[in-house]
Amino acid sequence: AQSVTQPDIHITVSEGASLELRCNYSYGATPYLFWYVQSPGQGLQLLLKYFSGDTLVQGIKGFEAEFKRSQSSFNLRKPSVHWSDAAEYFCAVGAGDKLIFGTGTRLQVFP
Amino acid sequence: DVKVTQSSRYLVKRTGEKVFLECVQDMDHENMFWYRQDPGLGLRLIYFSYDVKMKEKGDIPEGYSVSREKKERFSLILESASTNQTSMYLCASKGQYEKLFFGSGTQLSVL
Repeated sequence: AQSVTQPDIHITVSEGASLELRCNYSYGATPYLFWYVQSPGQGLQLLLKYFSGDTLVQGIKGFEAEFKRSQSSFNLRKPSVHWSDAAEYFCAVGAGDKLIFGTGTRLQVFP
Repeated sequence: DVKVTQSSRYLVKRTGEKVFLECVQDMDHENMFWYRQDPGLGLRLIYFSYDVKMKEKGDIPEGYSVSREKKERFSLILESASTNQTSMYLCASKGQYEKLFFGSGTQLSVL
């Protein structure tokens, strides 16, 4: 069965520090992979997606993610976090007509 | 920009009431989705629709039904609301390249 695991429920970083959010997926075929961000009181916004080709994908707001098939991972990274990045982040895998989401990682940023 | 509008931001209902959550998109998308979001559980798919009058059960359809009479509108119905349906409900439509566009959500409280 398809699934997405985000092992970190809550992460705290200092502003300016680097960030990596982990995501592992289980899917039989070549996956479509996504990262979404949800700011407080908002719906979800797409940060980036991977369909095929270059395994390092660039997204909005300075985020990038790397697809590693051998590890079934799609980790999200940012070299220098800003206070406005505090939000909840969801990894998702495309499974046919629908998207399956992970349980999310809440990012807290300290000044 | 694509707009997905959910009719209510906050809703309070009583146990046993019939509840309608409305969602409208303005981009002629064929696929629309209803998710519920609960802390620690991420987003779980309730129902989705890939065309007018067409619907498919998601992962947690029990206690819910949907209606898609027009392409732009996708309604979620709680036939007899229960306290365990207190949640944040998110509607989404799917555009090109599998991208989901989300509404701002409806926070439903069932008392």
